[in-house]
Amino acid sequence: AQSVSQHNHHVILSEAASLELGCNYSYGGTVNLFWYVQYPGQHLQLLLKYFSGDPLVKGIKGFEAEFIKSKFSFNLRKPSVQWSYTAEYFCAVNANSGGYQKVTFGIGTKLQVIP
Amino acid sequence: GAGVSQSPSNKVTEKGKDVELRCDPISGHTALYWYRQSLGQGLEFLIYFQGNSAPDKSGLPSDRFSAERTGGSVSTLTIQRTQQEDSAVYLCASSSHGTVTYEQYFGPGTRLTVT
Repeated sequence: AQSVSQHNHHVILSEAASLELGCNYSYGGTVNLFWYVQYPGQHLQLLLKYFSGDPLVKGIKGFEAEFIKSKFSFNLRKPSVQWSYTAEYFCAVNANSGGYQKVTFGIGTKLQVIP
Repeated sequence: GAGVSQSPSNKVTEKGKDVELRCDPISGHTALYWYRQSLGQGLEFLIYFQGNSAPDKSGLPSDRFSAERTGGSVSTLTIQRTQQEDSAVYLCASSSHGTVTYEQYFGPGTRLTVT
């Protein structure tokens, strides 16, 4: 069965600091990878996704993530964070499992950016 | 266009009562997912519908939980004999596998409180 690990459950940063949120998955086959974000009081929404091609993907607001197949990782990065990036970030993996396209989410990382 | 809608937005019920939660997916989306989001637990997969295929019920925590999807559109999640540990936000998401990227669009959730 596939699984997703997000190692940092709570991250506190000052504005302008750089961000890297770790995500590792376990699955031996072809995967699609996602980062979703949930701002306080809002819906979960897609931040970026990897489907195929260039392993470095860029999403909204200057976020990017790199798919490293050999490490089963898909870490999220942002060179400089702002207070408005305070949110919960979820990594997700979509893989074919027993004929179903199953999506598995990580436990989430709460990011708090201090002004 | 309209996004995923869920009703009710909030539900308070007494322990032992049955509840029904509704999800209206984006029109044309063939896949529908239910998740449970609890404090500190991240997103817990419950059930997945894809077209006319048998649903993937592997995430349902007990036989008190059931879901159906009528006409390939609206879905209802039913929890029988609710318990306090069922208190959580129940999220519905839909996706169009026609895009082959399996991006999910989330509804606002139903906050269930069992007293």
